Amino acid sequence: AQKITQTQPGMFVQEKEAVTLDCTYDTSDPSYGLFWYKQPSSGEMIFLIYQGSYDQQNATEGRYSLNFQKARKSANLVISASQLGDSAMYFCAMREGGSEKLVFGKGTKLTVNP
Amino acid sequence: NAGVTQTPKFQVLKTGQSMTLQCAQDMNHNSMYWYRQDPGMGLRLIYYSASEGTTDKGEVPNGYNVSRLNKREFSLRLESAAPSQTSVYFCASRGKPYGYTFGSGTRLTVV
Repeated sequence: AQKITQTQPGMFVQEKEAVTLDCTYDTSDPSYGLFWYKQPSSGEMIFLIYQGSYDQQNATEGRYSLNFQKARKSANLVISASQLGDSAMYFCAMREGGSEKLVFGKGTKLTVNP
Repeated sequence: NAGVTQTPKFQVLKTGQSMTLQCAQDMNHNSMYWYRQDPGMGLRLIYYSASEGTTDKGEVPNGYNVSRLNKREFSLRLESAAPSQTSVYFCASRGKPYGYTFGSGTRLTVV
């Protein structure tokens, strides 16, 4: 069964610094996709970045990058140059190739301090 | 382009009452999903529908029923609400190549 683990319930970072949010996953399916979502206090789920298991390069989207270490089964989100608006809950999620189910971790609450 | 629309946004029910949460998407997506979000638990899948006319149980289906009315609409019904069903409910749809789009959520309180 697929499983996502986010071990950091909360993280703090100073504005303009970089921060890494950890995510490890467990699956026996060689084909899978990894997602990161942001949930601000307003509650909506905002898609940030996607990494496929067969992608050769780490995904990047603006200030977001995904540090994909396949052998270690980790998919950490790196946010560069943090902004106050980055304060939110961040969720890692995975979908196995043959499954319809997107499975989420429990999330990490990021607080960016001025 | 509205994406995924959920109604209502807020609801208070008494224990034992029934209600239906509505969800509609205008992106011509085949797959639709219902999740619930509880503090410290992330999002957990209740039911999903891979295509019109099919539905399947997710991780936490007990106490819920769903209907995939057509390709656009996927509703979630609570037949006899319980306090344990107090939660925030999200509907989502999935399009190619991989993107999931979420609705804005329904905050349900059962007293």
